[in-house]
Amino acid sequence: EVQLVESGGGLVQPGESLRLSCAASGFTFRSHWMYWVRQGPGKGLMWVSRINGEGRITNYADSVKGRFTISRDNAKSTLYLQMNSLRVEDTAVYFCARGGENDYFEYWGQGTLVTVSS
Amino acid sequence: DIVMTQSPDSLAVSLGERATISCKSSQTVLHSSNKKNYLAWYQQKPGQAPKLLIYWASTRESGVPDRFSGSGSGTDFTLTISSLQAEDVAVYYCQQYYPLPFTFGPGTRVDIK
Repeated sequence: EVQLVESGGGLVQPGESLRLSCAASGFTFRSHWMYWVRQGPGKGLMWVSRINGEGRITNYADSVKGRFTISRDNAKSTLYLQMNSLRVEDTAVYFCARGGENDYFEYWGQGTLVTVSS
Repeated sequence: DIVMTQSPDSLAVSLGERATISCKSSQTVLHSSNKKNYLAWYQQKPGQAPKLLIYWASTRESGVPDRFSGSGSGTDFTLTISSLQAEDVAVYYCQQYYPLPFTFGPGTRVDIK
């Protein structure tokens, strides 16, 4: 059974940093693209970033480019999102997701809440 | 960026009746090289993560009941729930996955009338 478990969320002040983790199990982690998707309070879904199986190809939404860094440790089957220079508008539940045969999101974690507030 | 729109914003349907949700993209999501539509549908119940229902516009994900179906091509797509069940109360999102950045529609809330 595929499982994705996010952790690392919390309350931070604007300008601070946070690192999210997503522990994966039930599949061959290194074989799949992985993604971060976020959902602001009462809002819709927004794709944040993706990374290929080897960790060599990464892409970001414009709103987080230069501030967020996606990475993975295939030995630990864990996905990361390093978030720097956090803004109030980054407040959201952050989901990690596993890709299907293409860039749709086949499996999702339960999400971790990041709140940026002074 | 491709802008995804959905209609209606919300709808209420009687149990056993049909629910139809429309999704439109500002540019075609039909890839000319493989003739595939890069369009997915998700269901999100309150307090839960989204769940994949449909990909390639009309391919049902394994385990998804066959009352859910997707159709359309190019810029116009439809998600149909043929016979609404109580457990189908949720918000439904469409998503395009080519090109980057991937974008979602704003969602359609489905309730029981």
